[in-house]
Amino acid sequence: DSGVTQTPKHLITATGQRVTLRCSPRSGDLSVYWYQQSLDQGLQFLIHYYNGEERAKGNILERFSAQQFPDLHSELNLSSLELGDSALYFCASSVAQGFGPQHFGDGTRLSIL
Amino acid sequence: QQPVQSPQAVILREGEDAVINCSSSKALYSVHWYRQKHGEAPVFLMILLKGGEQKGHEKISASFNEKKQQSSLYLTASQLSYSGTYFCGTESQGGSEKLVFGKGTKLTVNP
Repeated sequence: DSGVTQTPKHLITATGQRVTLRCSPRSGDLSVYWYQQSLDQGLQFLIHYYNGEERAKGNILERFSAQQFPDLHSELNLSSLELGDSALYFCASSVAQGFGPQHFGDGTRLSIL
Repeated sequence: QQPVQSPQAVILREGEDAVINCSSSKALYSVHWYRQKHGEAPVFLMILLKGGEQKGHEKISASFNEKKQQSSLYLTASQLSYSGTYFCGTESQGGSEKLVFGKGTKLTVNP
């Protein structure tokens, strides 16, 4: 158990819809990172927050947005969903301010029908 | 720029050694190694910073050749539990503030 909690575990929705993925970091970790993992693209870094502030952006689409709240939990919002957005979305947390050792949650599997 | 990992896959018998390479075309600040078992989340192994240091984790160690922009992961006397996909992630120098992962190397250790 990494201590990182992601909900929901599975999400099935239709094209054009909007979903919110939630992540609670390990106790004491101030950094939260979001990743997308698909078979053809591998593990792709989306965005990093540290103590509520956005620190780095990766290949995150404009249809996607995220935030980290004062209690340090984070949400990833995906809108106008397309079939290609089907993937496993991981959240990770770290005590580091940058890219330190990360502890991954179990992921949310998103399926777009 | 995505780092290139080689080989893509390797099959070992228990007790054998393996080397996984990770190469980048960019000047690197750090290299991160993770292992992901099928159906599970990635698990952190180690981070190497520029400077050519070598680090170890159980019987798994790694090196970082700054001149070649390459890192190698060494698995010695492999155990069944080492099976999984190994990913390297790289941070480039110059403040790119991105962690880019390679496509992974699938390692299978058989009895």
